[in-house]
Amino acid sequence: KAGVTQTPRYLIKTRGQQVTLSCSPISGHRSVSWYQQTPGQGLQFLFEYFSETQRNKGNFPGRFSGRQFSNSRSEMNVSTLELGDSALYLCASKGSDSTFEQFFGPGTRLTVL
Amino acid sequence: GENVEQHPSTLSVQEGDSAVIKCTYSDSASNYFPWYKQELGKGPQLIIDIRSNVGEKKDQRIAVTLNKTAKHFSLHITETQPEDSAVYFCAASKLTGGYNKLIFGAGTRLAVHP
Repeated sequence: KAGVTQTPRYLIKTRGQQVTLSCSPISGHRSVSWYQQTPGQGLQFLFEYFSETQRNKGNFPGRFSGRQFSNSRSEMNVSTLELGDSALYLCASKGSDSTFEQFFGPGTRLTVL
Repeated sequence: GENVEQHPSTLSVQEGDSAVIKCTYSDSASNYFPWYKQELGKGPQLIIDIRSNVGEKKDQRIAVTLNKTAKHFSLHITETQPEDSAVYFCAASKLTGGYNKLIFGAGTRLAVHP
């Protein structure tokens, strides 16, 4: 079974721009969560989508948004990029509400200049 | 609020020695405790997990213990090998219904020297 895939793997943007990142979960998985990883703040939860609905949201500004499609693929968008948004963005795939394990993709490394 | 503390931040051992990483969580409603290993340039890989109704779980050279009263859980790696070198993260969650948020510790950088 293929794992979680994220595209693109690397991205360089400038301040003020916006960016869209994509995540394809493991086949059959319905839950996709997004995390931001930085050296200073570690791994922080952004939001979770299940069956195209956002169920949980972390403590991030409204510039961070996401969505999920009917095939469970998810995108996250960051508008008006700031230097502090430079990070590794990870998505995690989970089968259903009756399972516990979450599996992470390789991440998208975003650099904001 | 929700918080997970992880110690030590760095750990250096000789090949063949044991390594222990400890975590403390704040939310007593937490019921699921996974451990992830992250190698350079990769996403975190789930290596073992434990649920609140179990005190200990073992998988070959790795084991996890949970003390719900003290709100502590630990990762034990025996007979360490150079390929065990990575950053290890503990996490806690209260998996009820539609709640899937993981609260992560700050990570432990483990170096295993041949």
